[in-house]
Amino acid sequence: GAVVSQHPSWVICKSGTSVKIECRSLDFQATTMFWYRQFPKQSLMLMATSNEGSKATYEQGVEKDKFLINHASLTLSTLTVTSAHPEDSSFYICSARSEAASLTYSPLHFGNGTRLTVT
Amino acid sequence: AQSVTQPDIHITVSEGASLELRCNYSYGATPYLFWYVQSPGQGLQLLLKYFSGDTLVQGIKGFEAEFKRSQSSFNLRKPSVHWSDAAEYFCAMRSNFGNEKLTFGTGTRLTIIP
Repeated sequence: GAVVSQHPSWVICKSGTSVKIECRSLDFQATTMFWYRQFPKQSLMLMATSNEGSKATYEQGVEKDKFLINHASLTLSTLTVTSAHPEDSSFYICSARSEAASLTYSPLHFGNGTRLTVT
Repeated sequence: AQSVTQPDIHITVSEGASLELRCNYSYGATPYLFWYVQSPGQGLQLLLKYFSGDTLVQGIKGFEAEFKRSQSSFNLRKPSVHWSDAAEYFCAMRSNFGNEKLTFGTGTRLTIIP
């Protein structure tokens, strides 16, 4: 149980275009999902917290107009990289926590990530 | 500010040998601690977690970790590694008052040699 699916697993796009990444909780509901970015051989950096039915909360230094997050249902959050540039090339990973679990004792479950390459 | 330090960027271990990956944290209280493993191009899989209670926690794939408050450490161990254990390992923490944000260490890449 507690599977998080991310799509696509990899995408190549041209500079100036937009790319949408989907994050789905397959067998549980998630009010909150998290989006991370990982540069090569580096750790994960939290970009934003996605809240179902409300605006996302962005970490300091993350451009909310560039990285649009929509959490329209309890099982789906999307990250759209708008007007992508080569420096946006990275590995993006989402995570979610089951609503059925206790806030205190439940860990986050991660998707398999999306490799974005902007040419 | 809270932080997680993994002092070893890269560790090489012979198959069948024991393993210990170090993790130190900085936080004003006892945090919730986690170890995740990441295979190349993949997401993260939870190995084990510590919230409270017994300071020696057992995880999946034969891993265990010990929380030592006096040393602010949460080192990951395995008595005998397998070639399939080669991966990137991340230690992470979050606060214990409901904030779900995870703070990750920089990771330790584990290489297994025959």
